[in-house]
Order: sequence, then structure tokens, then C-alpha cells
Amino acid sequence: NAGVMQNPRHLVRRRGQEARLRCSPMKGHSHVYWYRQLPEEGLKFMVYLQKENIIDESGMPKERFSAEFPKEGPSILRIQQVVRGDSAAYFCASSPGSDNSPLHFGNGTRLTVT
Amino acid sequence: TQLLEQSPQFLSIQEGENLTVYCNSSSVFSSLQWYRQEPGEGPVLLVTVVTGGEVKKLKRLTFQFGDARKDSSLHITAAQPGDTGLYLCAGIETYKYIFGTGTRLKVLA
Repeated sequence: NAGVMQNPRHLVRRRGQEARLRCSPMKGHSHVYWYRQLPEEGLKFMVYLQKENIIDESGMPKERFSAEFPKEGPSILRIQQVVRGDSAAYFCASSPGSDNSPLHFGNGTRLTVT
Repeated sequence: TQLLEQSPQFLSIQEGENLTVYCNSSSVFSSLQWYRQEPGEGPVLLVTVVTGGEVKKLKRLTFQFGDARKDSSLHITAAQPGDTGLYLCAGIETYKYIFGTGTRLKVLA
């Protein structure tokens, strides 16, 4: 399967724990986006990364949230000290970076904070 | 902040009916895409429109980009249960993909 792979599909964390969400982009894609989606809502932009660089993190809370896309390995979205309001579906998408290229999405990680 | 408002938010129709979904913004985008998302999955691209006034057809789906590149519409002819899903428009400006609020469509057999 050469698509975008996200894991885990479901993640349950207690308040105060850390959540780590992983995303492996499509082969050949060096651009990764992370979005957050609440039930019955659209996708809210969080962060845009290229290999080893954060290009735009304007949609990501400055506290507790961080993202990386290392030279080797998947992109990671990390949420420290999770709170109930962090419960949502988090989607990763990759693209080759050319003009108007489609975003290829993974099937998301559903985070539940208890 | 660029916002994309979609209407209606929810739509439930009978098989065979026609429908139109709207995507509106006060901002100009260089291009616009439509995606469909099914439960438990990520969105999948349907179409990209680039030129103001452009119309694209994909079987029973017709997409239009407004002349001013601020709005778009999606028309479905003779809807089928397989069209059920969340329809999302996304405005593109340089590297940024701004998604709309979504239209959840349910087509009843």
C-alpha cells in the first residue's frame, strides 16, 4: 500500500499524558500537512512541514503541541499533557509540493482523552 | 483569516434528486479543490478548478469556479446512495489549503 499511513488509528489517553501521532507520507512526497477535525465539522489546518523544516505552524497551539518531519522516518505530531478538549480526529496529508497538487490523506488518528 | 463557508451544512435527499452545494469566501484563491470524505476515512480529491468561470464535469458531478475565484459550486444530478458523504471544498493559496466547513450529504434509497 503506497498511500499515506497513519498510526495508531485509535488512541486513548488520560488527562496529563502524552499523545504521539505518526504519519508516513506517500512515497516521493516531501510535504506533510496535519489537520484536526471535530465531529460534523471541516478540517482545521494545524501545521505544514517539509523534510526537516516547519514551514507554517500558525494553526497549532503554541503550548503542548509540536510537530516534526525528520530526514528519516515518519512525521510526528506530539501533544503533551493532553486535555479533554484535545479529543478529535487528526489527519495527515502529503503532497509532492507542485502547484495545485492534490493532498493525499491518511485515515486519521482518533484521539480520545478520558 | 481566510474562511470558506459551505451551504447547506446538512442535506438529506431521495435517490434520483438533484442537489447543489455551495462554497463561498470573501478571499480570492488561486485554485480550489473539492474532496469527499466517508466515515472513518480521510478525504479524497474529486476535482481541482483553476480558472475563474471554469466548469468541470465528473460523471454526474458538475463543478464550477466563480468568475472572481472566491466561490464554487458542486451540482449532483440524479443522486445515488453511493454519493453519501461529507463534501469539503478547499481553497488554495501558495502552499496553504484552507478547508470549508463541509456539507454532509445523505442520499436515501
